[in-house]
Amino acid sequence: GENVEQHPSTLSVQEGDSAVIKCTYSDSASNYFPWYKQELGKGPQLIIDIRSNVGEKKDQRIAVTLNKTAKHFSLHITETQPEDSAVYFCAAAGGSYIPTFGRGTSLIVHP
Amino acid sequence: DAGVIQSPRHEVTEMGQEVTLRCKPISGHDYLFWYRQTMMRGLELLIYFNNNVPIDDSGMPEDRFSAKMPNASFSTLKIQPSEPRDSAVYFCASSNNYNEQFFGPGTRLTVL
Repeated sequence: GENVEQHPSTLSVQEGDSAVIKCTYSDSASNYFPWYKQELGKGPQLIIDIRSNVGEKKDQRIAVTLNKTAKHFSLHITETQPEDSAVYFCAAAGGSYIPTFGRGTSLIVHP
Repeated sequence: DAGVIQSPRHEVTEMGQEVTLRCKPISGHDYLFWYRQTMMRGLELLIYFNNNVPIDDSGMPEDRFSAKMPNASFSTLKIQPSEPRDSAVYFCASSNNYNEQFFGPGTRLTVL
């Protein structure tokens, strides 16, 4: 089955800095890569996703990049704000479209 | 739409007791997922349904766990008997396609 590794497990940045979270996956058949944000006491919520036919996708301050050859993808958050503090999960899905989640990254943005 | 609804939000029980967690998916969604989240193991998929039919229950930890979906608007996850190591946050999620999963607020289960 699919195996998704996510790093770092904890990321601490100053407000205004950029944050990067990296994930690798094992199944070359995976073609859908969503990112979820989980705020304290809530369920994960999709913030952005990318499919294997594109290498990069951007939505305001967040962007995702995908390198299918190397089987890794990343989440980039620019101009971080305190409200970006949360746990972020990457995931990968293949033919079944059922995602396998990474272990999560706790992002802390210091004012 | 109110989103995915889960009840109860918190459950404290004693070892050996039966626990039933409930989920109402978003209307029109034909996939329903049950997850368990712990610090040690992260977010684990336990089981998922398509059109009320269980498709993959390979994530269910053992026979003490069972899940049902009697109709398109209701699902239950039951643990009988419960054990302290079952303590976790249990999420239900639903989807209507092969894309975004919508998660409920979760049920925090504590087994003493």
